[in-house]
Amino acid sequence: DQQVKQNSPSLSVQEGRISILNCDYTNSMFDYFLWYKKYPAEGPTFLISISSIKDKNEDGRFTVFLNKSAKHLSLHIVPSQPGDSAVYFCAASDGVYSGGGADGLTFGKGTHLIIQP
Amino acid sequence: NAGVTQTPKFRILKIGQSMTLQCAQDMNHNYMYWYRQDPGMGLKLIYYSVGAGITDKGEVPNGYNVSRSTTEDFPLRLELAAPSQTSVYFCASSYSSGRSGNTIYFGEGSWLTVV
Repeated sequence: DQQVKQNSPSLSVQEGRISILNCDYTNSMFDYFLWYKKYPAEGPTFLISISSIKDKNEDGRFTVFLNKSAKHLSLHIVPSQPGDSAVYFCAASDGVYSGGGADGLTFGKGTHLIIQP
Repeated sequence: NAGVTQTPKFRILKIGQSMTLQCAQDMNHNYMYWYRQDPGMGLKLIYYSVGAGITDKGEVPNGYNVSRSTTEDFPLRLELAAPSQTSVYFCASSYSSGRSGNTIYFGEGSWLTVV
């Protein structure tokens, strides 16, 4: 059963507008959330993260919002640029204090963002 | 600026063959991981290691083996390759636990086809 869900396989946005990528999760033990960006034929690269004690984290054009009660997070990219065209993965972890289980992250299936000129 | 290096980049295997995907990192990271990504799917954890000599299973370990004899290297061995192992494999590393929010750095991936 998927614990991290990205329900939009693809998203097309015009250059200069806002891109909003959504992610839902089911595991209430998740307490750290990350976004990774992936270009074709390359490995994922870390973009931005947020701890569950916050509801917003901003880094330049990228902002991640977390709504814990809804188990939902979103990534906002403003303004969108052609170089933002990539697959974006939402990922989550349940923290070292949850005890047991494997290390690493749980990933969603990804959203392919296409920025149109 | 090597980071995480994986070899080979592409490989075609016949059913029943075995091979090893090599992974090396030069960041002195303690934690290393192997993920696989099937088409249209997210990354799934195969095995991970928290330090030299210590490895553990992830979500999808069947058909694979790993070893960690040094901090730098974390090879993934496929025994008796099956078509279900056709995938893109990513090696990754982090200084400390990825579960506690430490950034995980990925290699460029190894494309494996089993025919």
